[in-house]
Amino acid sequence: DTAVSQTPKYLVTQMGNDKSIKCEQNLGHDTMYWYKQDSKKFLKIMFSYNNKELIINETVPNRFSPKSPDKAHLNLHINSLELGDSAVYFCASSRTSGRNTGELFFGEGSRLTVL
Amino acid sequence: GENVEQHPSTLSVQEGDSAVIKCTYSDSASNYFPWYKQELGKRPQLIIDIRSNVGEKKDQRIAVTLNKTAKHFSLHITETQPEDSAVYFCAASIGAGKSTFGDGTTLTVKP
Repeated sequence: DTAVSQTPKYLVTQMGNDKSIKCEQNLGHDTMYWYKQDSKKFLKIMFSYNNKELIINETVPNRFSPKSPDKAHLNLHINSLELGDSAVYFCASSRTSGRNTGELFFGEGSRLTVL
Repeated sequence: GENVEQHPSTLSVQEGDSAVIKCTYSDSASNYFPWYKQELGKRPQLIIDIRSNVGEKKDQRIAVTLNKTAKHFSLHITETQPEDSAVYFCAASIGAGKSTFGDGTTLTVKP
């Protein structure tokens, strides 16, 4: 009964490859996010979707493309991977109204290593 | 946009002592201030939060204070235990909007 689940947990790949990370939440939340945590542990938002609509798109290279087929899923596709893309990517979800508005529920993270 | 500064970046205390982590924010419209704890190799998890209509909130050994005039808020952990060792993040947002995180504080509690 995992609340926010993301797969895969680990990704090791070569520069130039394309990879995807999938995320699903069963909390009934209406907003989902992708955060990047680098080696210094800084947490930076990349994207946010509300009811399948993109609402936050931070300064992220075009090689990163999120897709939300429905409000319970948010996937991240990365083209032409670079060394600097190595990080832990966290999916998160929250509700925008009602109880615990704004509280982020994170997935376990996907550690991407680009060689 | 919102800017959140967090201090200190590292904090080491003896077991049983108190720990205080401070954050300042720039956007006076921010009204939701959560604190997340991230243990090594784990996901960040909410430990306590405060909304702008209150000045202080306490949950057992953890408390958060908010000064809206000065635009700063603090996390207080009393009677620290080794299991409190983790990275702590503060954040600020306007309601359910984008959460801007501080850079994190690595807390080490020495037994």
